[in-house]
Amino acid sequence: EVQLVESGGGLVQPGGSLRLSCAASRFTFNTYWMHWVRQAPGKGLVWVSRINIDGSRTMYSDSVKGRFTISRDNAENTLYLQMNSLTVEDTAVYYCTRDSYSSITYPTYFDSWGQGTLVTVSS
Amino acid sequence: DIQMTQSPSSVSASVGDRVTITCRASLSIKTWLAWYQQKPGEAPKLLIYSASNLQSGVPSRFSGSGSETDFTLTINSLQPEDFATYFCQQANSFPFAFGGGTKVEIK
Repeated sequence: EVQLVESGGGLVQPGGSLRLSCAASRFTFNTYWMHWVRQAPGKGLVWVSRINIDGSRTMYSDSVKGRFTISRDNAENTLYLQMNSLTVEDTAVYYCTRDSYSSITYPTYFDSWGQGTLVTVSS
Repeated sequence: DIQMTQSPSSVSASVGDRVTITCRASLSIKTWLAWYQQKPGEAPKLLIYSASNLQSGVPSRFSGSGSETDFTLTINSLQPEDFATYFCQQANSFPFAFGGGTKVEIK
């Protein structure tokens, strides 16, 4: 069974930075696009960012563009999310997810999810 | 951007009931829609993709239908483990929006 384990969440002050990691196992990591999806406490799901197989193409939601950077290390089977200039609106559980088809010609479904890591932005 | 609207936001039902949840897209997404189930404290789980395809391991009491802008998730004979929140998601184009969720509660 696919395993995705996030880490790196915690309490950070507004304007601060945090780097999330997602360790992937039990599947061929370097053949899948990967995403981050977040969920504010008691709220719905919001897509954040996507990265292609070799890391050469990335996409971001408007709310994080210019502040967050997604990256991956295929040798280490790890996905990252560097978050800068954090605001209270970034407070959420951040999930690492796998893209089912990992292809630009196919739809984007999230077939595997990590357990999430909580990021709290507060002074 | 495509917006996704789910209804109702919550529904109370009993074990054995049939529950129907709807999701509407602001533009046509063909059949590129997914449904997820989320239980408290857990990550979402993919139930249905491409509007009507059951993900491996998902019980057959779950079914999905629809195309273009209107979609439906039906749970036949609701079981105790089905009490959860359900989200739809458009898989057609960036950014990949989710519906606001429907909480299925015990009556």
